[in-house]
Amino acid sequence: GAGVSQSPRYKVAKRGQDVALRCDPISGHVSLFWYQQALGQGPEFLTYFQNEAQLDKSGLPSDRFFAERPEGSVSTLKIQRTQQEDSAVYLCASSLRFRTSTDTQYFGPGTRLTVL
Amino acid sequence: GENVEQHPSTLSVQEGDSAVIKCTYSDSASNYFPWYKQELGKGPQLIIDIRSNVGEKKDQRIAVTLNKTAKHFSLHITETQPEDSAVYFCAASPQPRNFGNEKLTFGTGTRLTIIP
Repeated sequence: GAGVSQSPRYKVAKRGQDVALRCDPISGHVSLFWYQQALGQGPEFLTYFQNEAQLDKSGLPSDRFFAERPEGSVSTLKIQRTQQEDSAVYLCASSLRFRTSTDTQYFGPGTRLTVL
Repeated sequence: GENVEQHPSTLSVQEGDSAVIKCTYSDSASNYFPWYKQELGKGPQLIIDIRSNVGEKKDQRIAVTLNKTAKHFSLHITETQPEDSAVYFCAASPQPRNFGNEKLTFGTGTRLTIIP
């Protein structure tokens, strides 16, 4: 079946603009994660959803970052008033979520955000 | 929180030789350890994972070992091929509670180059 998809794949924004990044998880996957990957670094956790509930947003770097998953499937990561330090690849991952064990996270291709 | 260290940061091996990448983690609550391969312009792809009730796991040319006492785990790739060239990330995750967060903490990555 289809994997995790993300759009757009590339986004160039002028400093101060708002951006919205979309993630379509694998159908039926309960858990959804957003990660930020700076150039040459490993992904870093931003936020976690179980269905439509945002259970952990401890990794969001500032209140300019906002994520939602209103119907428990598609998720949007919004960044307001973008800054140059927001330039990174934003990765979305989903997992089926078995209750008693950690499930495999499947990653999308990412959105590369460049803030000029 | 969890801290994962990975080394080496770069590794070059002759085609057909073996490659070993090592990671250490800090949180004794971590019990799930996946390894991801990331090619240029793509999202991380799971290649193998291990849970803390297992000391070693093998899948064809790829194996992972885990030493919970020492808090380290390693990836072994045998009979390396040019298509193994990529960036490899280790990660760690704690046992989830009922509605807990299975977020992954990643290492900083190893750029593996296979020399033909």
